[in-house]
Amino acid sequence: AQSVAQPEDQVNVAEGNPLTVKCTYSVSGNPYLFWYVQYPNRGLQFLLKYITGDNLVKGSYGFEAEFNKSQTSFHLKKPSALVSDSALYFCAVRPNNRKLIWGLGTSLAVNP
Amino acid sequence: DGGITQSPKYLFRKEGQNVTLSCEQNLNHDAMYWYRQDPGQGLRLIYYSQIVNDFQKGDIAEGYSVSREKKESFPLTVTSAQKNPTAFYLCASSTPGQATYEQYFGPGTRLTVT
Repeated sequence: AQSVAQPEDQVNVAEGNPLTVKCTYSVSGNPYLFWYVQYPNRGLQFLLKYITGDNLVKGSYGFEAEFNKSQTSFHLKKPSALVSDSALYFCAVRPNNRKLIWGLGTSLAVNP
Repeated sequence: DGGITQSPKYLFRKEGQNVTLSCEQNLNHDAMYWYRQDPGQGLRLIYYSQIVNDFQKGDIAEGYSVSREKKESFPLTVTSAQKNPTAFYLCASSTPGQATYEQYFGPGTRLTVT
């Protein structure tokens, strides 16, 4: 079965330190990959996507993600975390132009 | 939350009552979606519509119904048949003509049924 995994329910990082939120997937073909962020009691906001080309994708709010085809991963990164980055992060994958498959989310806590 | 509005933000109902959640978008998107979000379970697709007057069941459609009479509107009815309706409901839209499209989300409606 096709799936998306976010192996960490929660990530804690100190403000100013780099952060990584992990995402791995198991789908056929060459999927499109997405990251979204959700602040408390709000809808999701699109951060970035990988379609093709450069493996390092830059998105909103200073976030970037690295696509690794051999490891089937699409980890979200930011060089210097802010307290305001604290939120719930979702990875999503669209295989072969079909419906999105969502990860369960990772809660990021950035400590002052 | 862009050009998608959901109302109301909070909704309370008694068990056994049907309730309709509103979703309106002014993004001129053809496709619209309804998701349910529960703690620790991520987003689960309830219904989606690729075009006016057409919609398909998602992964958890039982106990829900939708209509798509206008491009801008995609209301969701939570019926009394839904066994556990208390949840956060999210509406989204996108342009399905491109496979690379992202979805745009509304602010959500938190439904509590007692």
